[in-house]
Amino acid sequence: AQKVTQAQTEISVVEKEDVTLDCVYETRDTTYYLFWYKQPPSGELVFLIRRNSFDEQNEISGRYSWNFQKSTSSFNFTITASQVVDSAVYFCALSEETSGSRLTFGEGTQLTVNP
Amino acid sequence: KAGVTQTPRYLIKTRGQQVTLSCSPISGHRSVSWYQQTPGQGLQFLFEYFSETQRNKGNFPGRFSGRQFSNSRSEMNVSTLELGDSALYLCASSAAKGLATGNEQFFGPGTRLTVL
Repeated sequence: AQKVTQAQTEISVVEKEDVTLDCVYETRDTTYYLFWYKQPPSGELVFLIRRNSFDEQNEISGRYSWNFQKSTSSFNFTITASQVVDSAVYFCALSEETSGSRLTFGEGTQLTVNP
Repeated sequence: KAGVTQTPRYLIKTRGQQVTLSCSPISGHRSVSWYQQTPGQGLQFLFEYFSETQRNKGNFPGRFSGRQFSNSRSEMNVSTLELGDSALYLCASSAAKGLATGNEQFFGPGTRLTVL
């Protein structure tokens, strides 16, 4: 069965600090997709990035970067020089190729960036 | 292009009542999925519809049902409401089945249901 674990329930940092959100997943499928979503207080889930199981290339987008390591089943997300606007709940999610559009979400990490 | 819309945004019901939530996908999208978000259980998958057929179902009791119309709009219904059904219900749409590259899923703003 598929499972996503985000061990960090809450993280609090001061503005301009770097912060890494951890995500570990379990799946038996060889083809799967990983996602990170941001959920601000308004509630809407905002898509940040996706990674396919066959593409382990890491990615940087502005202050955001992602580290996908298949060997450790991890898909971690780093925010460099955090800002107050980064405060939100962040979710890691997994979709198996055999599961259609079904996403399995982690518990979420509440990130608070203090000025 | 308009995003995924959900109506109503907020709803208050009492135990035992039933409720219907609506989701209009992005134009051209044929897949609609529903999720329930609660503080205790987190985000959980309810069901997925594609071309008016339920393709996938999560682990929820039969009180939770849904359907999809020919214009891809979807409704979910919860009968005999319980206090534990209080949650944010999110709908997501994508153009095709599955989440392979190029078939991105977009979420609506959600309907916040409170059961008293």
